[in-house]
Amino acid sequence: DTGVSQDPRHKITKRGQNVTFRCDPISEHNRLYWYRQTLGQGPEFLTYFQNEAQLEKSRLLSDRFSAERPKGSFSTLEIQRTEQGDSAMYLCASSSKRDNVADTQYFGPGTRLTVL
Amino acid sequence: QKEVEQDPGPLSVPEGAIVSLNCTYSNSAFQYFMWYRQYSRKGPELLMYTYSSGNKEDGRFTAQVDKSSKYISLFIRDSQPSDSATYLCAMDSSYKLIFGSGTRLLVRP
Repeated sequence: DTGVSQDPRHKITKRGQNVTFRCDPISEHNRLYWYRQTLGQGPEFLTYFQNEAQLEKSRLLSDRFSAERPKGSFSTLEIQRTEQGDSAMYLCASSSKRDNVADTQYFGPGTRLTVL
Repeated sequence: QKEVEQDPGPLSVPEGAIVSLNCTYSNSAFQYFMWYRQYSRKGPELLMYTYSSGNKEDGRFTAQVDKSSKYISLFIRDSQPSDSATYLCAMDSSYKLIFGSGTRLLVRP
């Protein structure tokens, strides 16, 4: 399967613990995105990488959140000192934008986080 | 007010019906418009995208964009029970997508 993959698919943690999620994009894609989706809502943008550079962070991404994309390949999203409000589906997407072509983003299956 | 508005449904139709799903938006700068399908507890799957105003057809699916009205639609012909899912519209804002909240569709056999 050459799509976007995410690991783990499910994570249950206690409040105050740190968690880390991994995303492996489609191999030739240079752009990688993280979104968060809560029940009954559409995905909300969190952050975006072009190659290894993090170019944009949403105000939704508090200082407890950090994302990296070393070497411009896979990415990790870490949440420190988790809170119950962090419970959501964390989605990763990748794309390869070319001039004058829509930046069509392909999503992974998501990591569902539950904070107890 | 949200940048993208979408009726959450649920929309329940009999098998074989024509389904119309719609979104309105407020930002006239949006140029690309996407429709994603999301099954329960899965990631969104890209169905179609269109650029600016006009129609685009792909099999049983037709996407329409009316930029003058800031209104986009997705039509599904000959709907099937396997089409039962949440349909999300999305707009391309430079690099990030702005999503509607999704419309839940149920196609009854």
